[in-house]
Amino acid sequence: GAVVSQHPSRVICKSGTSVKIECRSLDFQATTMFWYRQFPKKSLMLMATSNEGSKATYEQGVEKDKFLINHASLTLSTLTVTSAHPEDSSFYICSARSGQGPLVNEQFFGPGTRLTVL
Amino acid sequence: GQQVMQIPQYQHVQEGEDFTTYCNSSTTLSNIQWYKQRPGGHPVFLIQLVKSGEVKKQKRLTFQFGEAKKNSSLHITATQTTDVGTYFCAGNTNAGKSTFGDGTTLTVKP
Repeated sequence: GAVVSQHPSRVICKSGTSVKIECRSLDFQATTMFWYRQFPKKSLMLMATSNEGSKATYEQGVEKDKFLINHASLTLSTLTVTSAHPEDSSFYICSARSGQGPLVNEQFFGPGTRLTVL
Repeated sequence: GQQVMQIPQYQHVQEGEDFTTYCNSSTTLSNIQWYKQRPGGHPVFLIQLVKSGEVKKQKRLTFQFGEAKKNSSLHITATQTTDVGTYFCAGNTNAGKSTFGDGTTLTVKP
C-alpha cells in the first residue's frame, strides 16, 4: 500500500512555543490530507481537511488560528500548533487520500506525532 | 452532524473464540471503511464496503454492510493473539467526509 510519513515522531516543547508537524505522501499524490487528534484509548478526532492549493476546512470547535494547516503541494501538508499549551499535548495523526485510481477513497495514515507541551 | 457509533467499546475473548464489532451511522453512507490500530501504532486500512448488503471476507475476517447503508459489522472467527488491537469503522458520505467510530478494543487471552 501507499506510504505516508510524518515528522517528527515525537516532540517535547515549552508552553508558548510553536511546533510544526509535516505529513508527506511518499509514493502517491494526495489530493486531500486529513489531520486527526487522538487522545489515549480514544478514537480519532478529525481536526481539519486540507486540499492542495486551497484553505483547510476545519471541524467545529477547532481553532483555525491555533492549528495552522498548509497543503502546499500534492505530497506535503503541515500542521503548526501555535503558542502550544499543555492541553495541546496529544497524538496527532495525518492521513492522505489520492482521490484517483483503485485507491480513490482509501486513507493512508502516517505513524503519528506525539506532542508533549511542558 | 453525522454520527458514527461503534459497540462494544471493549471486548475480551479467549483465544479461539469469535469476536464481532458493530458500527451504526446516523446518516446513509456512500461507503464504509474498517481500520485496525495495534497498540502503539497507527490505523491501518483493512477494507472498504460500498454496495448495499455487501459481504467481504479476508481469511478469518468477515465484513458486512447493511442494506440501508447505515450499519456495518466486522466478525473475526477463532481469534488469535495477533488480532489484538482497536478496530475502527469510518463512515464516508458523498461529500467525501469521513467520521470515525470510537473503536472497539479487542484483547485476546491465550
